[in-house]
Amino acid sequence: EPEVTQTPSHQVTQMGQEVILRCVPISNHLYFYWYRQILGQKVEFLVSFYNNEISEKSEIFDDQFSVERPDGSNFTLKIRSTKLEDSAMYFCASTSFRSPDTQYFGPGTRLTVL
Amino acid sequence: DAKTTQPPSMDCAEGRAANLPCNHSTISGNEYVYWYRQIHSQGPQYIIHGLKNNETNEMASLIITEDRKSSTLILPHATLRDTAVYYCIVRVAGGATNKLIFGTGTLLAVQP
Repeated sequence: EPEVTQTPSHQVTQMGQEVILRCVPISNHLYFYWYRQILGQKVEFLVSFYNNEISEKSEIFDDQFSVERPDGSNFTLKIRSTKLEDSAMYFCASTSFRSPDTQYFGPGTRLTVL
Repeated sequence: DAKTTQPPSMDCAEGRAANLPCNHSTISGNEYVYWYRQIHSQGPQYIIHGLKNNETNEMASLIITEDRKSSTLILPHATLRDTAVYYCIVRVAGGATNKLIFGTGTLLAVQP
């Protein structure tokens, strides 16, 4: 069964450094999302992406965040200058045009900012 | 999106049915009820969704009351692998760019 994959599984970085989290959505999916979950807290929506542009973003998704679909298969989340409070699990999700009600999530990337 | 209320935790014996309730008294006519679950440290997983009729798939059944103000997710024969946080989410269907708003969910602990 096709699945969403994410790399790396764990990323450790120093405060102020840039990080890029990578996701490969399911191949025929057209809608993409990033969510994050700080340890012990709720899963929070960050951004949705369709047709090469952002559809919606949350208050969390400020100028330090950006998303890109560089090559038709990858979907990336970049944090330009990481802060301690960016430490969290980051989940990518995708949805197909035929089944827009079902979001398929990846296993997540654990980001630790030191 | 309408708000949902779920108990913070529930226990269930392995092999028995797990019935997870959800209240959504302010649900609008065009909003569906979705259930996702999150096994420890993994990404959320879609289970089922419905509008007003009861729904069943290979994972679970969804029972929605006639007034649509509450629903119950039923796992017919719970296993240890069903231990997870279960989220009840209400949102308008059909919009693929619609975000999911997760609450705190119900932690279901399946006991051997």
